[in-house]
Parts: sequence; structure tokens; C-alpha cells
Amino acid sequence: DVVMTQSPLSLPVTLGQPASISCRSNQSLVHSDGNTYLNWIQQRPGQSPRRLIYKVSNRDSGVPDRFSGSGSGTDFTLKISRVEAEDVGVYYCMQATHWPPWTFGQGTKVEIK
Amino acid sequence: QVQLVESGGGVVQPGRSLRLSCVASGFIFSSYGMHWVRQAPGKGLEWVAVIWSDGSNKYYRDSVKDRFTISRDNSKNTVYLEMNNLRVEDTGVYHCMTLSYWGQGTLVTVSS
Repeated sequence: DVVMTQSPLSLPVTLGQPASISCRSNQSLVHSDGNTYLNWIQQRPGQSPRRLIYKVSNRDSGVPDRFSGSGSGTDFTLKISRVEAEDVGVYYCMQATHWPPWTFGQGTKVEIK
Repeated sequence: QVQLVESGGGVVQPGRSLRLSCVASGFIFSSYGMHWVRQAPGKGLEWVAVIWSDGSNKYYRDSVKDRFTISRDNSKNTVYLEMNNLRVEDTGVYHCMTLSYWGQGTLVTVSS
């Protein structure tokens, strides 16, 4: 199974400041079709998960442009350019390249300082 | 808009069974593979099972193989998860999802 490791697991941030979450996999997430199936998922308190980013860097519809994804191979990053109050929650990376199983990182809890 | 609505959760004793349902709307259900993902209380997300759009392939995580069965009825836009011989460690919120969209989940509590 592909192991996804996120850091940090807790991220206190100041409103308006940037935030960055790292996600590493224990094997390359480049699929034989040339795509890299790495998603970022947001779960706000008390809400269901929501996909923010797919295939490393593509924002889903309605996702603010302050969210961006980058990376390649085994190293990936989710960045929030200026954190807003509504960004509080837990963020997960998820790989969909090598399955089954589809696997998630442990989650990174973003909170306001 | 896309909606995924789960139901069927509840409190059951270890060894008993439950069947979860997820009704989809707002997209062409029969074109999408459907997953179940669970979340134990206070824990992260854990993939459980997937069924291909036409039902031709199904995969499960090892810990639920031979106990859980995923199925779908494309005429009803519904995916199911039949859970047998439930264990305490199966407790959690079960979400259906398409990889793009997630439902709000249904809570399964396995306790004596």
C-alpha cells in the first residue's frame, strides 16, 4: 500500500498569513498514463469532506484561488496564500494512482492563532 | 447540483449486520465509480470499498474483505454497502464519494 505522510499535523496560522502543508508518498505517484493522481481534501468542522485540488494542481470548481497545489513524484504541497477564517479545518492528501487501496495522509489541522 | 445522501447507519452489537445506502443526484450516476470511505471518531479518513460504474469490478480494504459487500443499482442512482459480522473497530461515519464529490455521511456505532 502507498503510505502518505503529511506535515505538520497541526498548523496554527495568523489570519491573512500564508500556510503550507507537505505531503509525501513512499513511492512515486506518477501513473503509467502520465498523470499524477494526488488530491487535496478539506474537511471543515462538522462538515463532510470536499475535494479542493485534483491531479496535483487543478482547483475544483468554486475553490478560491488562494488555494494552490504543487509537487511531483513523491513530494507535494498545498499552499494557502492568505488564510481566512473559513479555512479552519483538517486537510488531507489522497492518492488515487496505485490502488487498491486508495490512501490518505493523516490529516493536517489548520487553526487560527 | 450534485448530492450524495447516505442513510442506514445506527447502533448495532458486534457480530450483527447493517446495510448502508447512498442516493445520488445531479450527475450521471451510471458513469461514475462509487467509493465508501469511513472516519472513526476523532480520526482520519479511511478508504473502504469501490465499485466500478457498471458494477463489473469491486475492491475492498483487507480488514473488511469477506464481511462487507458493495453493490449498486444504476436504475435507482443508489450505491449500497452491506456490512456483516460488524466489529467495534468498524465504528465511524461512512461517506460515499465519487472522488470528486462526498456525501455528508451516516454514523455506524458498533457496541455491546
